[in-house]
Amino acid sequence: QVQLRQSGPGLLKPSQTLSLTCVISEDSVSSNSAAWNWVRLSPSRGLEWLGGTYFRSQSYYEYAVSVQSRITINIDASKNQFSLQLRSVTPDDTGIYFCARDIRSGYYGGRDYFFNYYGMDVWGQGTTVTVSS
Amino acid sequence: DIVLTQSPDTLSLSPGERATLSCRASQTISSHLLAWYQLKLGQAPRLLIYGTSTRAAGVPDRFSGSGSGTDFTLTVTRLEPEDSAVYYCQQYDSSGITFGRGTRLEIK
Repeated sequence: QVQLRQSGPGLLKPSQTLSLTCVISEDSVSSNSAAWNWVRLSPSRGLEWLGGTYFRSQSYYEYAVSVQSRITINIDASKNQFSLQLRSVTPDDTGIYFCARDIRSGYYGGRDYFFNYYGMDVWGQGTTVTVSS
Repeated sequence: DIVLTQSPDTLSLSPGERATLSCRASQTISSHLLAWYQLKLGQAPRLLIYGTSTRAAGVPDRFSGSGSGTDFTLTVTRLEPEDSAVYYCQQYDSSGITFGRGTRLEIK
């Protein structure tokens, strides 16, 4: 059974960097059918996707426009984990942060490319992050 | 970015009734890229539906999804008290992933 276990501090001051880690069990961060995401939940915005990474012969990274200037997602294949760094946090970054796996696949059929998305089926336990001076 | 607009904001129904939740996209999306999630207080989101209409593993058949183009629907029949939650639609495209703002379903 695939599990994601999150860790990281929950209290930060404005301008600091949020750092969270998500350790993967029973799957691989290098899987060629999975992607590894960070999602946050806040009262003002509901669920918000922050970014993700996936490996298809090489590592790819996707970031939400709203945070792309402040976010970095890294992979550590030797520890089978991925991490989130969000720089220059403000109280607006307060919320519950989740890591999540989604399953996606793409293939060529002749000259056509087919892509399927199967949703985020495994989630971490969530980390409550508060940004306050 | 594609914007997903969910309606209504809140739905209050009685046990046994049927809930219809709407998700409208700002532009046409492929039906196989639309998913629905259930979020309960203190829990991680739970995948209900992917590919517009395919139930995820372990999801009761009271939950069904439909739609195409820009209009998608999550239907929950024979409502039970445990269905009280916030429901989110989500799409994936080349720009990344977006969620709707959610519909709160209250069971009276």
